Amino acid sequence: AQTVTQSQPEMSVQEAETVTLSCTYDTSESNYYLFWYKQPPSRQMILVIRQEAYKQQNATENRFSVNFQKAAKSFSLKISDSQLGDTAMYFCAFMNSGAGSYQLTFGKGTKLSVIP
Amino acid sequence: SQTIHQWPATLVQPVGSPLSLECTVEGTSNPNLYWYRQAAGRGLQLLFYSVGIGQISSEVPQNLSASRPQDRQFILSSKKLLLSDSGFYLCAWDSGPMNTEAFFGQGTRLTVV
Repeated sequence: AQTVTQSQPEMSVQEAETVTLSCTYDTSESNYYLFWYKQPPSRQMILVIRQEAYKQQNATENRFSVNFQKAAKSFSLKISDSQLGDTAMYFCAFMNSGAGSYQLTFGKGTKLSVIP
Repeated sequence: SQTIHQWPATLVQPVGSPLSLECTVEGTSNPNLYWYRQAAGRGLQLLFYSVGIGQISSEVPQNLSASRPQDRQFILSSKKLLLSDSGFYLCAWDSGPMNTEAFFGQGTRLTVV
């Protein structure tokens, strides 16, 4: 079974600064996807960024980028130029692409607070 | 565009009472549907998933059950709630192979008293 570990329960960052959220995972699969989901106080979970394990290039989405280290099974999220709207719970998630149904395994989450 | 509706937003129920949470998806057909529970400090736990009408897979044996009576309708039920059923329940859908993004509902905060 896959496991996802987020070792930082809470983090804070000054507005306009950069913050990195950590995530490690454990799997015996070679083909999979990794995700970062954001859950703001309004509660609706939304996808921030996704990475395919077979791609060596790190995914980027505007101010969000990942550092994917496949050998180390590490998948950190970097948020640049942090904004107040980035305040949310962030969940790292894993999906095994070999499964018949695409089920996500989530970490426990990191609560990020952006301080004005 | 696709949308997902989940209700109610909050629910307070006594121990031993039944439960029915409903989730519907619009704007797509034959979605994969999921029920997750989010407990404090424990992240999201997959409870049930469904790849088609009447097809339910359970990930965690417990006091809850799920049904999919229609293609875009997913229901989470219990005959008798326990205190430990309290939590935040999220419904989600995705379109399966070739599209890995999941879309989540607004969630239901269930408090069993």
